[in-house]
Amino acid sequence: QQPVQSPQAVILREGEDAVINCSSSKALYSVHWYRQKHGEAPVFLMILLKGGEQKGHEKISASFNEKKQQSSLYLTASQLSYSGTYFCGPDLYGNNRLAFGKGNQVVVIP
Amino acid sequence: ETGVTQTPRHLVMGMTNKKSLKCEQHLGHNAMYWYKQSAKKPLELMFVYNFKEQTENNSVPSRFSPECPNSSHLFLHLHTLQPEDSALYLCASSLYLAGGHEQYFGPGTRLTVT
Repeated sequence: QQPVQSPQAVILREGEDAVINCSSSKALYSVHWYRQKHGEAPVFLMILLKGGEQKGHEKISASFNEKKQQSSLYLTASQLSYSGTYFCGPDLYGNNRLAFGKGNQVVVIP
Repeated sequence: ETGVTQTPRHLVMGMTNKKSLKCEQHLGHNAMYWYKQSAKKPLELMFVYNFKEQTENNSVPSRFSPECPNSSHLFLHLHTLQPEDSALYLCASSLYLAGGHEQYFGPGTRLTVT
């Protein structure tokens, strides 16, 4: 079952901060985050596992609330390169089969 | 360069044609995936292979037929497709088919069925 991602779209100026969210109705083993720019492949950003372990890019900040089955990605001091669609992909059972959400479209303007 | 390549990048085919999509990963991974990405819809997992063995068929119509001859190559054979099958088909790989392993995606094949 796919997660709900919010907000659907966000526009921010370079240097501003934003938070994008991913909510699941089921308990999660982990949450993956990927970013896809127009016409390009999705690129791995981060995995957040239950128990607090994180794996991914050092410059990306994220959280995972296991009790609420929610994950948030923090775009801090945004750069133009942050523009793209962010997909979260929960892994329910620890078998790497991801059910992606519809994405958060992020546009960073100068 | 993500280490996962896909060919062709664009494909136009009629409903009676037979074609194949190819994916190759140069990362030494053991799990490979096919996803479908349609406009306005999330990525849909189609098939999963682990050490060349198919472990998932996510209720995909039989007009899509995957093949994985080895851990580095993955094919998607297409026949008698429908216009609603037009989409971006993405291949991905991960080191293992287990939680906590990131997936690396190829650039995709943009398929148009006429």
